[in-house]
Order: sequence, then C-alpha cells, then structure tokens
Amino acid sequence: KQEVTQIPAALSVPEGENLVLNCSFTDSAIYNLQWFRQDPGKGLTSLLLIQSSQREQTSGRLNASLDKSSGRSTLYIAASQPGDSATYLCAVVQGGSEKLVFGKGTKLTVNP
Amino acid sequence: ETGVTQSPTHLIKTRGQQVTLRCSSQSGHNTVSWYQQALGQGPQFIFQYYREEENGRGNFPPRFSGLQFPNYSSELNVNALELDDSALYLCASSSGNTIYFGEGSWLTVV
Repeated sequence: KQEVTQIPAALSVPEGENLVLNCSFTDSAIYNLQWFRQDPGKGLTSLLLIQSSQREQTSGRLNASLDKSSGRSTLYIAASQPGDSATYLCAVVQGGSEKLVFGKGTKLTVNP
Repeated sequence: ETGVTQSPTHLIKTRGQQVTLRCSSQSGHNTVSWYQQALGQGPQFIFQYYREEENGRGNFPPRFSGLQFPNYSSELNVNALELDDSALYLCASSSGNTIYFGEGSWLTVV
C-alpha cells in the first residue's frame, strides 16, 4: 500500500528565505508526482507535475525534483514571500491507477 | 478558476441523516474523482467515475455512493451519517494528466 510522508509538518520562515519541502513515498512504481497548494478552507491548486520519467520541473520560483528510485521528491521555493503562506501537499499517482495518494501536507508560514 | 464548481459550500447535518453533494466539471472532462479531507489530514480517495461508470474505489464503506451524469456533473451521496464523516469533500475532474479541484463542500455532522 502506497504511503506518502511529508516533512516537516509545519515550517515558519522570514520573508526572502529559500526553503525546501520534502516528500517521500514507499512504492516507487508511480506514474507521476504532483505538488499542490491549499489555502485555508479552500480547494487544491496544482503547482507542478513531474512524470515518472522526469527528474525535475520548474515554474517561476518553484522547482520540484523527483528521485523515483529512492522514493523522494523535494519542492524548492526561492525568495519566499508572505503570499506563499499555505499548506503544500505532495501526491503520487500509482501506475495503472488515476487516484492520487496524498501526504498530510506541510503548513508554510512566511513572515513579513 | 478551475472550472470545477461544488455545492453546497457548507452544510450541517445530524447523525443518521443522508447528504448529497454536487459537482459540475468542465465539458470534455470524462473522469471525476471525489476525496474526503479531514481537518489536518491529506485528502483521501473515495471513488472515481469515468463516463458514468465507477472506475475505482478507495477504502470507504458502501454508504458512500456516487453518480456521474452525461452533462459532466456528478454527485456524492452519503447515507447514515456518522460524526467522523465531518470533513471537506473535494471533487476533481481531469483531462489527461491535468487535474482540477473544486473549492470543496464542508460537511459538519452533529
């Protein structure tokens, strides 16, 4: 059974810092991995999608990497801003399935 | 704007009652999935529909059921509500690798 773990559970940083969020998964037979952002009481917004054959994806100040063999992904946020404050969720899609298996998320607070 | 709308946004039900949550997705998105997100947890997969047929189910009891309609709308029905059913219910539609989530329906069972 696939399990996704995110560390840390919460993170508080001053504005301008670069930061890394970690995600690990137990079964490397994934189809893809996605990072989502969730604002309080809201739905999920897809940030980055990495196919199993890819190593990384970039969008603006965000960079996500994938090491499928070791079951790890990182989300790097450069020059953090207060508007980045949210919960970041990592999810994997298992090969042969379209369901997303989520971690519990990392709650990020960027202080002005 | 994801093009996925859910209703109602908030509702309160009494234990033992039944609830229907609705979702409207974009034209052409043949796959719709429902997730339950308890407070402080990641979303948990309930089930998925593809072209009006159930196409996968998570570890949820039969009192959780769904329907998908030809007009790209769908429903999640929960019978015999329990206190632990209190959660945010998220609908997601997909086309290829791109998945779009709605804002969710907050259900409180008292």
